[in-house]
Amino acid sequence: DIVMTQSPDSLAVSLGERATINCKSSQSVLYSSNNENYFAWYQQKPGQPPKLLIYWASTRESGVPDRFSGSGSGTDFTLTISSLQAEDVAVYYCQQYYTTPCSFGQGTKLEIK
Amino acid sequence: EVQLLQSGGDLVQPGGSLRLSCAASGFTFNNYAMSWVRQAPGKGLEWVSTISGSGGKTFYADSVKGRFTISRDNSKNTLYLQMNGLRAEDTAIYYCAKNSSGHSYFDYWGQGTLVTVSS
Repeated sequence: DIVMTQSPDSLAVSLGERATINCKSSQSVLYSSNNENYFAWYQQKPGQPPKLLIYWASTRESGVPDRFSGSGSGTDFTLTISSLQAEDVAVYYCQQYYTTPCSFGQGTKLEIK
Repeated sequence: EVQLLQSGGDLVQPGGSLRLSCAASGFTFNNYAMSWVRQAPGKGLEWVSTISGSGGKTFYADSVKGRFTISRDNSKNTLYLQMNGLRAEDTAIYYCAKNSSGHSYFDYWGQGTLVTVSS
């Protein structure tokens, strides 16, 4: 099974500053036949279900603010929030869907400094 | 608007059974695979099971294989999870989730339902 490891486990960033969360997979999630990374990011606020932010590693879900961006390929991926807003306080999870079982990272808790 | 309305969570004794339901609306239900994902208290997300749009293919995490059964009734736009032989480690919020077209990221999630396994 593919293991997803996020870093850091928690992060405190000032309002308006950039936040960066990393995720590493134990094997590549890049499918060579279509050159797509089978990788997604989710945001979960307290008491709510997860919300899809990014899929195919860099495609923003409809309605997600453009301050959220995803990058990376193969085994190393990054979620960047360009200018942190108060409503971005949440836990962020990465997910690979290259294989069954799909798997999630352990989560990164993002707070305001 | 896509909606996934869950029901069925409860307190159950170890070894007991429970059935979760997830009523879907706002999309053509039988065109999409559906899944269950759980989250133990204060922990991360764990995929549990997926069923194809027709119901003909099912997939399970090793941790629940042989104990849980995923099913769907496309005439009722409803997804189910039958949970037997429940263990304390099955205690979690269970979310139903809609799979994106043809792939396994989850574009919509239910509100979650709490299953507590305790004597």
